[in-house]
Amino acid sequence: NAGVMQNPRHLVRRRGQEARLRCSPMKGHSHVYWYRQLPEEGLKFMVYLQKENIIDESGMPKERFSAEFPKEGPSILRIQQVVRGDSAAYFCASSPSQALSGNTIYFGEGSWLTVV
Amino acid sequence: GENVEQHPSTLSVQEGDSAVIKCTYSDSASNYFPWYKQELGKRPQLIIDIRSNVGEKKDQRIAVTLNKTAKHFSLHITETQPEDSAVYFCAASHRTGNQFYFGTGTSLTVIP
Repeated sequence: NAGVMQNPRHLVRRRGQEARLRCSPMKGHSHVYWYRQLPEEGLKFMVYLQKENIIDESGMPKERFSAEFPKEGPSILRIQQVVRGDSAAYFCASSPSQALSGNTIYFGEGSWLTVV
Repeated sequence: GENVEQHPSTLSVQEGDSAVIKCTYSDSASNYFPWYKQELGKRPQLIIDIRSNVGEKKDQRIAVTLNKTAKHFSLHITETQPEDSAVYFCAASHRTGNQFYFGTGTSLTVIP
């Protein structure tokens, strides 16, 4: 059972470009979470999605950031017109169906975005 | 929403000593408390978890305790080793939202 897969692992973008980060959850998991981690800081919740639905995007900036989790394919975190402050590690995590309470979430290896 | 606080932010111990990291949470509906270890440049990895129907759980050198009344839980690492050096995050989650709220992390250094 493959773990949570993220790509790219490292991404360099110039200011003003777009960044797309992809996340394939573990097999059988239908819940996806995105977290941002700045250097030497904690994990900041951004968005929580189920297939085709955004459940909670309260941690995601209103402008330039968007996320989706289509019926087919990976979840995508999209950052438009990147700025230097967007440089961070972006971690995706997944968990099984909510039908079981207290599910553990499992993290991917992260995508390190550097804006130059 | 839930607010998870974690202390201390940094901790240094001598090899062989014990390390304790404490977290508090605000939402009494939280019922699941995992702990993650993150090594430099790596992903957070689950090391132990506890559910609200138990007060303590142990796995070899690692143990977690939960006080539901006081809304706090702690990670205990005994006989620390240099490879225990990492950042540790606590988290809280509850059934209805399936959300996970993380503490700010504790950077543990085990001095050989």
